[in-house]
Amino acid sequence: DQQVKQNSPSLSVQEGRISILNCDYTNSMFDYFLWYKKYPAEGPTFLISISSIKDKNEDGRFTVFLNKSAKHLSLHIVPSQPGDSAVYFCAASAADYKLSFGAGTTVTVRA
Amino acid sequence: EAQVTQNPRYLITVTGKKLTVTCSQNMNHEYMSWYRQDPGLGLRQIYYSMNVEVTDKGDVPEGYKVSRKEKRNFPLILESPSPNQTSLYFCASSPLIRDYEQYFGPGTRLTVT
Repeated sequence: DQQVKQNSPSLSVQEGRISILNCDYTNSMFDYFLWYKKYPAEGPTFLISISSIKDKNEDGRFTVFLNKSAKHLSLHIVPSQPGDSAVYFCAASAADYKLSFGAGTTVTVRA
Repeated sequence: EAQVTQNPRYLITVTGKKLTVTCSQNMNHEYMSWYRQDPGLGLRQIYYSMNVEVTDKGDVPEGYKVSRKEKRNFPLILESPSPNQTSLYFCASSPLIRDYEQYFGPGTRLTVT
């Protein structure tokens, strides 16, 4: 049973607008969360992370929000650019080195 | 250049023919891991290693073997591949520091007929 869920398989957004990607988790032991970005024919690359002691982390155009009580996190991309078109994976870890991944959300940024 | 390399990148094989996918990293990372990516399931961990001669099962280890004889290398072995092992495989590495992001290789597309 997947402990990390990304319920939206795809998202289409116009260039310049905000992209919001959502992720839910079930394991209350998860205390560190990451977003990875993946282009076709390449491996995933790290994008941004957040510890459970925070509720927001920002890095340039990317912001991750964590709502522990709802076991929900989201990634905001503002403004969206054509190069942001990729698959985005949410991942989480508990007190070990193991990562649990969601199924991914494919983002398409329209010109 | 810091990187994780995998070989081969593409492989088509037949059921039962043993194969090895190699993984090598040049960052002196202690932790290495193998994942498979399947549609609708994301990445699932197969095996991981926290250092030389230390390996452990991930979520989907059945049908796979690994070894870690050198720090830089972590090969994935399929002794008797079956069609349900057709997938996209990724190797990853990181320092043995809690919550450090993992660096992924470019992937190996395996098809078992």
